[in-house]
Amino acid sequence: QKEVEQNSGPLSVPEGAIASLNCTYSDRGSQSFFWYRQYSGKSPELIMSIYSNGDKEDGRFTAQLNKASQYVSLLIRDSQPSDSATYLCAVNSPGSASKIIFGSGTRLSIRP
Amino acid sequence: DTAVSQTPKYLVTQMGNDKSIKCEQNLGHDTMYWYKQDSKKFLKIMFSYNNKELIINETVPNRFSPKSPDKAHLNLHINSLELGDSAVYFCASSQPQGGGPGANVLTFGAGSRLTVL
Repeated sequence: QKEVEQNSGPLSVPEGAIASLNCTYSDRGSQSFFWYRQYSGKSPELIMSIYSNGDKEDGRFTAQLNKASQYVSLLIRDSQPSDSATYLCAVNSPGSASKIIFGSGTRLSIRP
Repeated sequence: DTAVSQTPKYLVTQMGNDKSIKCEQNLGHDTMYWYKQDSKKFLKIMFSYNNKELIINETVPNRFSPKSPDKAHLNLHINSLELGDSAVYFCASSQPQGGGPGANVLTFGAGSRLTVL
């Protein structure tokens, strides 16, 4: 079983709709959870970090964490064409807080 | 003023050659990393240093040797390059903060695309 799993997509969402990205992780002891966005040919950049159960909102982005289900998601409201990118879920390894493991990413496409 | 800078941005070389990639960060972070991103975009951790000390060493061929002369610099030397080494190599840094907000957030460099012919 992969440590961090994501649906590779592509996920196609109409402009203005809500995009929902999901991620599951295998290590129950993980404490830090991240969503990074990566445009083609660019480096990953942090969108959201979340450390406790529940929702965390930042502008059009909401991260949701459920440690009991080992599940973290990212909602993007009012999707824009500029949101088209690959979204990487990342989780810290319980044995080493500094070891950040990435999922394989979900490619999101916002259609006009 | 670039926070994490890597050089070179592109590297094209022949099999069997030795090459190095350099990384510098001006964020004052204690921890630096090398990640490899393959053609399928999977980002895999290779090494991590905390204040010049190696703390993470994943299952990486010993042809890869990281070096951290100080906490602001982390270089990657690759010996006897193979076709499978072709990838984008990302340097990153972070500041562990005891698990609180902002802990272990990675700041990436622009990447170094290595092509082995």
